[in-house]
Amino acid sequence: QVQLVQSEAEVKKPGASMKVSCKASGYTFTSYPIHWVRQAPGQRLEWMGWINPGNGNTKYSQKFQGRVTITRDTSASTAYMELNSLRSEDSAVYHCAREYYYGSGNAFDIWGQGTMVTVSS
Amino acid sequence: SYELTQPPSVSVSPGQTASITCSGDKLGDKYACWYQQKPGQSPLVVIYQDNKRPSGIPERFSGSNSGNTATLTISGTQAMDEADYYCQAWDSSTAWVFGGGTKLTVL
Repeated sequence: QVQLVQSEAEVKKPGASMKVSCKASGYTFTSYPIHWVRQAPGQRLEWMGWINPGNGNTKYSQKFQGRVTITRDTSASTAYMELNSLRSEDSAVYHCAREYYYGSGNAFDIWGQGTMVTVSS
Repeated sequence: SYELTQPPSVSVSPGQTASITCSGDKLGDKYACWYQQKPGQSPLVVIYQDNKRPSGIPERFSGSNSGNTATLTISGTQAMDEADYYCQAWDSSTAWVFGGGTKLTVL
């Protein structure tokens, strides 16, 4: 079935980097944008950026510009999100999600299970 | 930057109608989506393009969007509908934006 499977939880120290993977299966990976959304405990969903797996084009939220990099490996049907210079406020669950065009509107129709990242000294 | 505002909480009795609002500047000129998120789960899209239901979403979920407000309506609310609900829209300056989320309690 169509699914996105993410890498396991991580614990990082302040100032370090994190890299989360998102493996797609059940559909043509290069045909749909992949987005990254994070959710800190008790907080709202926060859009971080997206990648067009077909050509590698990316767009990032201004909040994370300069600290986040989204890449993909088409041979592995996998997208990656790397966040640098981590601080405690980056502790959150990080989700990848597929953007689907329903024919008259877009939405994030498939979500990964989420990857918990804890930033602590 | 573009912002979407939701009430923190809404309560409804089983079988009644729940309405959750989402406000943003000229939101009616954009398409709004709604997501349901239950504890420990990833979000699930329940409404896209203001009022369209994806396959598998019950008919009791409906949406509207006009002026500065989008509304998610759940008719005949069931206990299984208790969850957090987030609105989402795309803005040319901010890209994808989510509302702050509304906790729906079915009393």
